Amino acid sequence: NAGVTQTPKFQVLKTGQSMTLQCAQDMNHNSMYWYRQDPGMGLRLIYYSASEGTTDKGEVPNGYNVSRLNKREFSLRLESAAPSQTSVYFCATLAGGPGTDTQYFGPGTRLTVL
Amino acid sequence: SQKIEQNSEALNIQEGKTATLTCNYTNYSPAYLQWYRQDPGRGPVFLLLIRENEKEKRKERLKVTFDTTLKQSLFHITASQPADSATYLCALDRMDSNYQLIWGAGTKLIIKP
Repeated sequence: NAGVTQTPKFQVLKTGQSMTLQCAQDMNHNSMYWYRQDPGMGLRLIYYSASEGTTDKGEVPNGYNVSRLNKREFSLRLESAAPSQTSVYFCATLAGGPGTDTQYFGPGTRLTVL
Repeated sequence: SQKIEQNSEALNIQEGKTATLTCNYTNYSPAYLQWYRQDPGRGPVFLLLIRENEKEKRKERLKVTFDTTLKQSLFHITASQPADSATYLCALDRMDSNYQLIWGAGTKLIIKP
């Protein structure tokens, strides 16, 4: 089992460009998440999907959109990248339901916006 | 709003000693608290979960305590090894959402041979 996979691993964008970060899981988990991680700060939730067909905003959703394509895949889109979106992005899944919130993370995408 | 704090300074420990990391929180009484390990260039990996009605939980050389009066969790690694060097993150459940966690910034642990 691959667990949680993310593509690409690294990306450099110019301000204003768009891109989509891909996430896929083979763990049959219902809930999926997108976080960003910046130096000196905790993981911050961008969007999450509690189950297939639903998405909700997290703490820092501005400038991002998401698509829960099916149970396995959850993508994050930057429509017009800004330097403030330079960060490491992690996709995660949730094992179990509420109250058993063990999360499984992908390897991350390191994004630089120039 | 909920706040969670971990020591931002790196913790240097001699191999074989016990490492103790601290996680403090305010403005909330979480139902549970989790600890994760993160190695450079990788995603966090779950280690332990402790619930509000549990004082202590152990897993091999790891021990977590949860003091709801002090609003603090301690994470111990006994007989530490250089391979334990990593950043350790704590997370607690968010009071207004069943599906979200609040994360600390993590403490970097360095175990010296």
